[in-house]
Amino acid sequence: EDQVTQSPEALRLQEGESSSLNCSYTVSGLRGLFWYRQDPGKGPEFLFTLYSAGEEKEKERLKATLTKKESFLHITAPKPEDSATYLCAVRDSGAGSYQLTFGKGTKLSVIP
Amino acid sequence: SAVISQKPSRDICQRGTSLTIQCQVDSQVTMMFWYRQQPGQSLTLIATANQGSEATYESGFVIDKFPISRPNLTFSTLTVSNMSPEDSSIYLCSVADLHTEAFFGQGTRLTVV
Repeated sequence: EDQVTQSPEALRLQEGESSSLNCSYTVSGLRGLFWYRQDPGKGPEFLFTLYSAGEEKEKERLKATLTKKESFLHITAPKPEDSATYLCAVRDSGAGSYQLTFGKGTKLSVIP
Repeated sequence: SAVISQKPSRDICQRGTSLTIQCQVDSQVTMMFWYRQQPGQSLTLIATANQGSEATYESGFVIDKFPISRPNLTFSTLTVSNMSPEDSSIYLCSVADLHTEAFFGQGTRLTVV
């Protein structure tokens, strides 16, 4: 059974204070690891897809990296508007498998 | 990326009643899913909506409680039947193709009183 564990559950940062969010996963075969951002009362917004160990992707202040067991979402010099819950999800490579298994998320608060 | 319209965005319902949530996509998609997100929790997959056939339900979810329709490749509905306060959640529609990321609607916030 696929498992996704995110840490920490919550993170408070001062504006400009860089940090990382962790996503540990267990799958029989990885067909993709996905990062989403979710604001209160809204659906998840897609950020990144990573497919293989060593892959990295960047978008503004966010950078996602992937190893064989975990992924990190690095946030550089965060701003208050980066405050949100960040969700990690994996897609298994089982035949015909499209659906995602989600972690519980990390709630990020960036204080001005 | 697909644009997903989900209606209603929120509702307050009496226990014992049913609510049907609609999901409309602006393009044809292979897969449509329905998720539940309980307060403070992550997303749990309810079922995969199959076009032209019965939905595929995950463990713990049954058709009598959550009937799903998918008449074509751009539209699906989820009904929450005989509601109780425990059904209060955010319900999310999601679409995906095999080699693409999944996109989500804005969700339906359901409160059962």
